[in-house]
Amino acid sequence: GENVEQHPSTLSVQEGDSAVIKCTYSDSASNYFPWYKQELGKRPQLIIDIRSNVGEKKDQRIAVTLNKTAKHFSLHITETQPEDSAVYFCAAREANNAGNMLTFGGGTRLMVKP
Amino acid sequence: DTAVSQTPKYLVTQMGNDKSIKCEQNLGHDTMYWYKQDSKKFLKIMFSYNNKELIINETVPNRFSPKSPDKAHLNLHINSLELGDSAVYFCASSLPSLARNEQFFGPGTRLTVL
Repeated sequence: GENVEQHPSTLSVQEGDSAVIKCTYSDSASNYFPWYKQELGKRPQLIIDIRSNVGEKKDQRIAVTLNKTAKHFSLHITETQPEDSAVYFCAAREANNAGNMLTFGGGTRLMVKP
Repeated sequence: DTAVSQTPKYLVTQMGNDKSIKCEQNLGHDTMYWYKQDSKKFLKIMFSYNNKELIINETVPNRFSPKSPDKAHLNLHINSLELGDSAVYFCASSLPSLARNEQFFGPGTRLTVL
C-alpha cells in the first residue's frame, strides 16, 4: 500500500516569512495529492490539491509543487500570518484505489510568531 | 447548514462496552469514510463506503463495523472497547473518485475509554 512521509513535524516561522512542508510517497501509481489544514480542536479542511498531470498549482499565498519522478510534493506558504498556525497534512491517493481512500502524512505543526 | 455532522461530540466509556458514533451528510455525496486520529495527530483511514461496496483498511480490528442505513448516513459501531481505541474519530464524505475528490470532514468525536 501507499506510504506518505512528511517533514518537518514542527515548523516555527516569523510572521511574513515563507514556510515549506515536504512530503514523499511510495506508490508511483498515486495520482492525487491534497493538503489539509487542521486548526486546534477543529476538523481537517482541504486548502489545495494537485493531480499527477500538473507540476505546480497556486492559490493566493499557497502553492503546491509535485515531482513525479522523485515522488515528492511540497506545500509553500508565503507571507505567513498568525492565522496560518495549524497542523498541515499532506495525503496521496493511489490511481487504482476503488474506495477513494487517502493515505495521510504524519502532519506538520506550523507556528507563525507575530 | 452543517455539511457533515457527527454525534456525540464527546464519548466517555468503560473498557469492554459497545458504543456507536453517528454520522450524517447533507451534501448528496456517494462515498463516506471513517478516520481515526490518535493522540499524536496521525490521521488514518478506517473505512470507505458507497452504496456499492465497503472498503476496509486491513489494519482495522473487526470490533469496528460501519453501518449505513441510507446514503446520507454512515455510523460506526465499536464492540468490546479497549484503552487503545481512545482517539478522535472523524467521518468524511466525497463525490465518487472520478469526480472532484475533496473530502469534507465532520467535526469529530472524541472517544475516551477508561
